[in-house]
Amino acid sequence: QKEVEQDPGPLSVPEGAIVSLNCTYSNSAFQYFMWYRQYSRKGPELLMYTYSSGNKEDGRFTAQVDKSSKYISLFIRDSQPSDSATYLCAMTSGFQGAQKLVFGQGTRLTINP
Amino acid sequence: EAQVTQNPRYLITVTGKKLTVTCSQNMNHEYMSWYRQDPGLGLRQIYYSMNVEVTDKGDVPEGYKVSRKEKRNFPLILESPSPNQTSLYFCATHKTRTGELFFGEGSRLTVL
Repeated sequence: QKEVEQDPGPLSVPEGAIVSLNCTYSNSAFQYFMWYRQYSRKGPELLMYTYSSGNKEDGRFTAQVDKSSKYISLFIRDSQPSDSATYLCAMTSGFQGAQKLVFGQGTRLTINP
Repeated sequence: EAQVTQNPRYLITVTGKKLTVTCSQNMNHEYMSWYRQDPGLGLRQIYYSMNVEVTDKGDVPEGYKVSRKEKRNFPLILESPSPNQTSLYFCATHKTRTGELFFGEGSRLTVL
């Protein structure tokens, strides 16, 4: 079993829809959770970062963490064609020492105009 | 502008021909790492370095070498490439306080 599971999609939705992207994990030591966005032919870039259970909002994006269920989500409201990308969840137990980040395999999202 | 620069961006080579992928950063980060990205497997860490002359294996180090002689540079060396090393490679630096990774634009390597 992988430490982090993410549905690879692909996911295709119309412009303006609410998008929900999800990851589950098995390691209860994970404390910090991130979402990266990767455009085609580019490196991933950090989109959202959180370290506690609950919701964190940034514009049209909301990151949700449920540590009891070992489940994290990213919601995109009023989705735009420019949101079309691969979204990767990532998590780690801490930022000291090896600082190892474990990634999901990524979900490819397409927003259709 | 904060940058992680990788070269080459694209490379086709043959089995056994040694190659080096360079990585340079201008953010003065101590922590750097190399990842490979494969369909269905996501990003997997190959090697990482916590500082100059300090390197360690990640999850998939077999067939790779690294060195960290200067803070800004972290080259990835494939001494004898094989077809299973055909992949998309990313160099990244790591911002210690927040855990944010800054990735280069990737190097697509094909080994025939």
